[in-house]
Amino acid sequence: GQNIDQPTEMTATEGAIVQINCTYQTSGFNGLFWYQQHAGEAPTFLSYNVLDGLEEKGRFSSFLSRSKGYSYLLLKELQMKDSASYLCAVRGGNFNKFYFGSGTKLNVKP
Amino acid sequence: DTGVSQNPRHKITKRGQNVTFRCDPISEHNRLYWYRQTLGQGPEFLTYFQNEAQLEKSRLLSDRFSAERPKGSFSTLEIQRTEQGDSAMYLCASSFVRAGFHPPQETQYFGPGTRLLVL
Repeated sequence: GQNIDQPTEMTATEGAIVQINCTYQTSGFNGLFWYQQHAGEAPTFLSYNVLDGLEEKGRFSSFLSRSKGYSYLLLKELQMKDSASYLCAVRGGNFNKFYFGSGTKLNVKP
Repeated sequence: DTGVSQNPRHKITKRGQNVTFRCDPISEHNRLYWYRQTLGQGPEFLTYFQNEAQLEKSRLLSDRFSAERPKGSFSTLEIQRTEQGDSAMYLCASSFVRAGFHPPQETQYFGPGTRLLVL
């Protein structure tokens, strides 16, 4: 089966840096995705990693280590609008389905 | 707007009634997914289509749930004899999978969801 773990909730200060970790166990790994979801809204795509290493996209970066089954999302220069849930998703298993973690609720305080 | 659209955005129904939701994917996308999400949880896979073919249906899904994508474009999700436990956000996502790449390159884009409340 698939197992994805991420912290339930984190708090950080505006302007700071925060790292959200995700660990996973899956068969047939074919990519790891990070999505942002504001309350009551649909998830929006942030990043995709399929090879080991760091992918940078503006204030957001995502890292993957396939051997460790580990990823993190790094958010720099935090803004109040970054307060949201961040979902880690792994594609794998039969038929390359997407499996989502429960999400990490990030609270950005002034 | 060329994103994924879903209708209705909200649905309130009484237990035992049937409901049907519609999803219009991004036009060139060949894959369409249905998910269910409850408060504090991530999206839970229900089923997905490659063009008009339904490739997989979650074993968690009872026979009361059925989905179609008759022409490989829009899709409908029907829930028969709704129960209070069906109350959730139902999300549709679409993607384009390019043949010949391994691993297959695919990013899902979500619609705004249909929030169902069963009384």
